[in-house]
Amino acid sequence: AQSVAQPEDQVNVAEGNPLTVKCTYSVSGNPYLFWYVQYPNRGLQFLLKYITGDNLVKGSYGFEAEFNKSQTSFHLKKPSALVSDSALYFCAVRDRGNRDDKIIFGKGTRLHILP
Amino acid sequence: DAGITQSPRYKITETGRQVTLMCHQTWSHSYMFWYRQDLGHGLRLIYYSAAADITDKGEVPDGYVVSRSKTENFPLTLESATRSQTSVYFCASRTGDGYTFGSGTRLTVV
Repeated sequence: AQSVAQPEDQVNVAEGNPLTVKCTYSVSGNPYLFWYVQYPNRGLQFLLKYITGDNLVKGSYGFEAEFNKSQTSFHLKKPSALVSDSALYFCAVRDRGNRDDKIIFGKGTRLHILP
Repeated sequence: DAGITQSPRYKITETGRQVTLMCHQTWSHSYMFWYRQDLGHGLRLIYYSAAADITDKGEVPDGYVVSRSKTENFPLTLESATRSQTSVYFCASRTGDGYTFGSGTRLTVV
């Protein structure tokens, strides 16, 4: 069965500094990987995804993520954090080897950008 | 062009009552999903559906029932609500390689 781990409940970063939100996954086959962001009282918004190809994926709002197969990781990064990046971030995985189409989410990491 | 619409936005119900949360998509996506979001647990999959009349259990299906008589609708029913089902519920559909989520229903069981 697939699973996702986000080891940090909260990450604090000063505005202007680089940020990293960690994610590791476990699947039996090859993964589809996703990052979503949730602002207060809102649904989830898609940030980026890895399907195949280049291990460095660029997404919305200046975010990027690097797929590392050997470490089974898909960390979310941004070179310079903004206060408006403060939100709840979810990593998710879908196992390509499964016939069903479900994706499994991590528990989320709250990102707090300090002005 | 709303995409996925969930209703109601907020709901308070009493323990033991039946309550149905609605989800409607304006596309014709085959796959639809129901998740619940709880502090410390993130999003957990309740049920999903591959097409009309095809549904399957997710991680936490107990106490919930779903149906999918039409492709565009995927209602979630709590047959006898319990306080542990107080949560925020999100519906989603698969769009290509990604997924689009509704705005959620905040359900409180008192």
